[in-house]
Amino acid sequence: GAGVSQTPSNKVTEKGKYVELRCDPISGHTALYWYRQSLGQGPEFLIYFQGTGAADDSGLPNDRFFAVRPEGSVSTLKIQRTERGDSAVYLCASSFERARMNEQFFGPGTRLTVL
Amino acid sequence: SQQGEEDPQALSIQEGENATMNCSYKTSINNLQWYRQNSGRGLVHLILIRSNEREKHSGRLRVTLDTSKKSSSLLITASRAADTASYFCATDEDTDKLIFGTGTRLQVFP
Repeated sequence: GAGVSQTPSNKVTEKGKYVELRCDPISGHTALYWYRQSLGQGPEFLIYFQGTGAADDSGLPNDRFFAVRPEGSVSTLKIQRTERGDSAVYLCASSFERARMNEQFFGPGTRLTVL
Repeated sequence: SQQGEEDPQALSIQEGENATMNCSYKTSINNLQWYRQNSGRGLVHLILIRSNEREKHSGRLRVTLDTSKKSSSLLITASRAADTASYFCATDEDTDKLIFGTGTRLQVFP
């Protein structure tokens, strides 16, 4: 079956612009996660959805970052007034029910470059 | 924030040799997972070990967990060039989110 997909695969934008990153999880997975990975580092947790609601958004760095999952499937990560420090690979993952006891399936990521 | 720290940061070996990577973490956990990442993109789940387990095997992979020392190790036996990748441990901190370590970059030479 299809895995987690993310679009676009690469995004180049200018400082101050608004960007949206999309994630399509595996069908039937209720849990969806966003991570950010900087060069040479491990993925850093941003936000976790259980169904339509954000169960834990403690990893969002500031109020320029926002994510939605209106129908409990596709999710969009939104970044306002982008800064050069936002440049990173943004990874999405999904899992069956709660990930505490389950593996997460990752998408290929979106590489965001803010000029 | 990142909880785990992998050791070593980088490891180079010849094909056929075994590779051992270690991970340390800070808080109590329900489980610990190991992931592999090629070329800085999507991660692939390798193995999950629960806090009440001490050792787990999957093919050429062997994972141990010592909760008293808050540490885990990943052993890859009879390594292959295709095993070249970054390897990350991830813990759940008794929540539903994963906290990843800094990773070990493994290079296997043919």
